[in-house]
Amino acid sequence: QSVLTQPPSVSAAPGQKVTISCSGSSSNIGNNYVSWYQQLPGTAPKLLIYDNNKRPSGIPDRFSGSKSGTSATLGITGLQTGDEADYYCGTWDSSLSFWVFGGGTKLTVL
Amino acid sequence: QLQLQESGPGLVKPSETLSLTCTVSGGSISSSSYYWGWIRQPPGKGLEWIGSIYYSGSTYYNPSLKSRVTISVDTSKNQFSLKLSSVTAADTAVYYCARLRFLECMDVWGQGTTVTVSS
Repeated sequence: QSVLTQPPSVSAAPGQKVTISCSGSSSNIGNNYVSWYQQLPGTAPKLLIYDNNKRPSGIPDRFSGSKSGTSATLGITGLQTGDEADYYCGTWDSSLSFWVFGGGTKLTVL
Repeated sequence: QLQLQESGPGLVKPSETLSLTCTVSGGSISSSSYYWGWIRQPPGKGLEWIGSIYYSGSTYYNPSLKSRVTISVDTSKNQFSLKLSSVTAADTAVYYCARLRFLECMDVWGQGTTVTVSS
């Protein structure tokens, strides 16, 4: 059971938009930065969003992040088949001083 | 460009100690801006943070693994290491090392190494 809650799966058609939610509590999302990671099949996770809504160099602006209270959201527009991957949210939990991840969301581009 | 590379045995017997090393290249492990950490992913499951270390040796561990985990750093070799004792089949996973911007994100990851616990 993950500390952060994500939907197990989402799907949408190519070119469409999808959002992935990540729900936590005041000890984690509510008071710390959220980051998002993309894990393509058979590869290591890759940083997609950091500090709630910032994109590392090289990440297209089709990917966006937001945070409100104890929840965060990853948005992906202009979906491509190459976006099919598992997506994880992560943040620091201040109550026990450890890093927590969501359970992951599998994105299918139909 | 910073790169991280995990190394260590791919097979460990139950009750023994899993030992992995992460070698950092293209940058210094002694940078004051970063922590260094281990994350694992059991087959077909999600990511689990194991722990992190600063170049000075300061550590944070996952409470659920704390009694079995030791993370150490060797600045002379630009490496950090993981030891997980008393392993069981539940410790079978892909183990990743990563660079952490403390409290912010894990911005650089190694490619991962598969460790199987089996007799």
